[in-house]
Parts: sequence; C-alpha cells; structure tokens
Amino acid sequence: SQQGEEDPQALSIQEGENATMNCSYKTSINNLQWYRQNSGRGLVHLILIRSNEREKHSGRLRVTLDTSKKSSSLLITASRAADTASYFCATDAWDSNYQLIWGAGTKLIIKP
Amino acid sequence: EAGVAQSPRYKIIEKRQSVAFWCNPISGHATLYWYQQILGQGPKLLIQFQNNGVVDDSQLPKDRFSAERLKGVDSTLKIQPAKLEDSAVYLCASSLRGNHYEQYFGPGTRLTVT
Repeated sequence: SQQGEEDPQALSIQEGENATMNCSYKTSINNLQWYRQNSGRGLVHLILIRSNEREKHSGRLRVTLDTSKKSSSLLITASRAADTASYFCATDAWDSNYQLIWGAGTKLIIKP
Repeated sequence: EAGVAQSPRYKIIEKRQSVAFWCNPISGHATLYWYQQILGQGPKLLIQFQNNGVVDDSQLPKDRFSAERLKGVDSTLKIQPAKLEDSAVYLCASSLRGNHYEQYFGPGTRLTVT
C-alpha cells in the first residue's frame, strides 16, 4: 500500500533557485524521512523528522511537517547541479507495523 | 566507516533461472532490509531482519524468493525461478536498531530477466 505521495512528480529549475517538494500521507505516522537517490551515490538519507517536530534544518535543506494536514515539504535552497536526483519521502505508521512505506519520488533536475 | 556492500552489481539471467544476491551491512547494525525497486517507483520492502530473526516478510513472494541472515551479519536473497517481472534493482539497507532510525543503503544489484 502506498503511504507517501510526492508532488510534483518532476521539477526542473535553474541552478541557484530554490526547489520545494511535497509529500502527503494517509495515516498517523511515527516519523517521516527524506532520501535522495542519484546514479552516483545511490539512495542516501537526508533528514528524519519525528511526529512531534514541526521543522528541521540540515545545511541547505529544510523540512517541515504538518501532522494536521498529513503533509511534509522539503526545501532545497540555492540549488546546485549536484542536487539533480530523485527525492523520496518514507513514513512509518503503526498500521504498517512501522515499516517504512515509500512514495514514488520527485525527480529534480537542476539546469546550469 | 565502511558502507553497506552488495554483490553482484549487475546480473542478467533468463526466466526460470535462479539468482542470488549478497549483502554485508554496516558493522554493528542490527537491522537489515532487502528492498525491490522497479524503475520509476520507490523501494518496496521485501524482508526485514533484526539480528538473524525475520521481523517482516509479508511482501516477500515466498514461492520464489528466499532470504537468510546467518549469524546476524551478512545476508543472501535468492530468486528461484525468476520471472520477467522480477527485473528490478535489489537494494540492501541496514540501520542501527530498526525503523525509527535512518537506513543506510548499498549500491544495489540491477537484475534483468530476459
């Protein structure tokens, strides 16, 4: 069953611009994680945000979580060519035995 | 620290043949996962081990897929016999202590079934 859905499916921006991706989910969660996947480095963990947290930062990344709307957003500021990748959100919930359920991802392309 | 190791990186087999993948997790990580990722989709969990015990294998097609984690360290995933729809990337991941922690992924094995 699909828990998280990323939006948009694809995003193309100019280098230096900010990129925002959204994730919506269906049931109450314990935590939400964002991962990045590119051909060079495979699937890499970016940020984990717990259900009692509203915002987290890591370098140029900012993640927000709105549990009332069952949604999260990932903001990448001052994008670089190396940010070109697919971005996935993954959630764990009690009704999936806390297994991580992944969305289909947002494909981000940074144009030079 | 060494990352998650997987082999082989690529494998091409004909349908009805068998194939095995190997994974060595990060040292000290109790939890090991096998995922299947079909092109354009997110990873789908096949099986999760906690040490050498199975925590969840509800999405593992047990008529053809099997996995083991001997001694609670490295793991093998086998497909026998393979079908065309098994063509995918098989990812191994490990985490310190389960789903509430970040997962570290290996480079994956790209399987093509012809």
